[in-house]
Amino acid sequence: AQSVTQLDSHVSVSEGTPVLLRCNYSSSYSPSLFWYVQHPNKGLQLLLKYTSAATLVKGINGFEAEFKKSETSFHLTKPSAHMSDAAEYFCVVTSRGGGGNKLTFGTGTQLKVEL
Amino acid sequence: GAVVSQHPSWVICKSGTSVKIECRSLDFQATTMFWYRQFPKQSLMLMATSNEGSKATYEQGVEKDKFLINHASLTLSTLTVTSAHPEDSSFYICSAPKASFELENIQYFGAGTRLSVL
Repeated sequence: AQSVTQLDSHVSVSEGTPVLLRCNYSSSYSPSLFWYVQHPNKGLQLLLKYTSAATLVKGINGFEAEFKKSETSFHLTKPSAHMSDAAEYFCVVTSRGGGGNKLTFGTGTQLKVEL
Repeated sequence: GAVVSQHPSWVICKSGTSVKIECRSLDFQATTMFWYRQFPKQSLMLMATSNEGSKATYEQGVEKDKFLINHASLTLSTLTVTSAHPEDSSFYICSAPKASFELENIQYFGAGTRLSVL
């Protein structure tokens, strides 16, 4: 079994300030973790992924996330928010040993970026 | 990166009619594709797994006679919402996995289809 908890449904930051979107997971197998971004009425775009290599993962648009097994966390960060970052963000887990491609989505975090 | 095309992007239909949504992997083959449903301001819920050459696998609570899935080729899966009703109005998204160089399958998503049933 696997699950994902996104701790904040809404996050609001000022442009130019850091972004932190929190995600905790549980998995019966070695997890692969992803962050996807969804802009209004659009499909999902992969920001970054953790499989089994480096625990600090760098993605597109300046985002990065750190896999912390001891804390079962995979928080998404960005040093400086941009207006174009405003979107819905989903933390996603899949288990390599337990079913391959089946993804489990978190409930999403709506990021608002203010001037 | 890989591209998954979903068509149509938006459809309005009358109650009782059927609607077909297509999902194509444009630059890779996908023996498996996934169909999700997303309600407003909510997360994606997996509906079913589409399998090329065999029957789709439906998640618990999803009516297979209501949501017909056909995986006609290695690049095309279709979802048909039969006898649509207003409660079927939603955002439907497909995805297809493609192996990356790390041998992990990365899911690529279509842009989604907004279905409105009047």
